[in-house]
Amino acid sequence: GAVVSQHPSWVICKSGTSVKIECRSLDFQATTMFWYRQFPKQSLMLMATSNEGSKATYEQGVEKDKFLINHASLTLSTLTVTSAHPEDSSFYICSARDPRAGYTGELFFGEGSRLTVL
Amino acid sequence: SQELEQSPQSLIVQEGKNLTINCTSSKTLYGLYWYKQKYGEGLIFLMMLQKGGEEKSHEKITAKLDEKKQQSSLHITASQPSHAGIYLCGADEGFGNEKLTFGTGTRLTIIP
Repeated sequence: GAVVSQHPSWVICKSGTSVKIECRSLDFQATTMFWYRQFPKQSLMLMATSNEGSKATYEQGVEKDKFLINHASLTLSTLTVTSAHPEDSSFYICSARDPRAGYTGELFFGEGSRLTVL
Repeated sequence: SQELEQSPQSLIVQEGKNLTINCTSSKTLYGLYWYKQKYGEGLIFLMMLQKGGEEKSHEKITAKLDEKKQQSSLHITASQPSHAGIYLCGADEGFGNEKLTFGTGTRLTIIP
């Protein structure tokens, strides 16, 4: 079945560096993907909607310049955490729906990427 | 914006017992999703409900959406250690809108 894959699954970086996380739809094309963030023992919070060929739509309170999203192709969206700081440490997870399944189809989630900023 | 409240926040159940998790919305639900998550991992899709009064089952898990479409419940029968994890309900904002608002989550522990 349709699968959404993220890479890397975990990353550790120094404060001030930038980190890129990839989200791929493996056997379907997704014009829209979603990025969520999850803090320990908390629920998922939507960060932004990634739109293929156009700018991402950010949720209120999410810094656009901090979290850069690029949806360069129909199967790939990237989230870049720029100038990362310890407070950016979190679990980042993306999702996409197979358009062939229609509205009632499953909304697939990636495996998640755990970022730790030292 | 839509808010989803789950109860209980955590649940410890002896293996073999039944349990129920509730998800209550501040607004009418259009699509209600149930997911399971192991800590630090991705989400596993369980079920999606759309119609008032709808009920779906998969193996030992049954999910229901009330007639008013503001509350959903997830019921597990004869719980097993494999059921342990975090259960999340998620709601979308209407037809064609794929972004979800998630509930607060319920952490389920199964004890032998």
